[in-house]
Amino acid sequence: GAVVSQHPSRVICKSGTSVKIECRSLDFQATTMFWYRQFPKQSLMLMATSNEGSKATYEQGVEKDKFLINHASLTLSTLTVTSAHPEDSSFYICSARILAGTDTQYFGPGTRLTVL
Amino acid sequence: AQRVTQPEKLLSVFKGAPVELKCNYSYSGSPELFWYVQYSRQRLQLLLRHISRESIKGFTADLNKGETSFHLKKPFAQEEDSAMYYCALGTTSGSRLTFGEGTQLTVNP
Repeated sequence: GAVVSQHPSRVICKSGTSVKIECRSLDFQATTMFWYRQFPKQSLMLMATSNEGSKATYEQGVEKDKFLINHASLTLSTLTVTSAHPEDSSFYICSARILAGTDTQYFGPGTRLTVL
Repeated sequence: AQRVTQPEKLLSVFKGAPVELKCNYSYSGSPELFWYVQYSRQRLQLLLRHISRESIKGFTADLNKGETSFHLKKPFAQEEDSAMYYCALGTTSGSRLTFGEGTQLTVNP
């Protein structure tokens, strides 16, 4: 149980275009999903916390207009990288928390974004 | 502010040897500590959490509030233990996780 999927697994796009990444909890409802960014050989950096039905909470230094997050249902959160640039190339990982009040998170497999 | 420190980026041991991956944290409240593991080409997965006080794949970790540490230990390392290990700190409010930089463990035959 507690499976989280991401789609696509990898995407290549041209500079200036927008890319949408989906994160789904397959066998549970997730009131909270998290979006992370991971650079090569580095740790995960939390970008934002996404709560179903409300606005996402962004970490300091993360541009909310650039990284649009929508959490429309208890099983789906999306991250849209708008007007992507090469410096946005990274590995984006989502996670989902099953129960409020606990910190156990289950992670998706990640999405490799390459902006040309 | 929450902070997690894993002082060793790389750790190499031989099969059958004991292994300890260090983790120290900084947090003024009551912490929840986790170890996550990422095997090659696989997603991050939960290895263990301190409140469970369980042993997973032979690994154990004890929360030492006096030393603010949560070191991961295994008495006899196996080759399949080779992976990236991340220590993570959560809060009792359940709001977010803070990850350490990770330790790449290599178990040599």
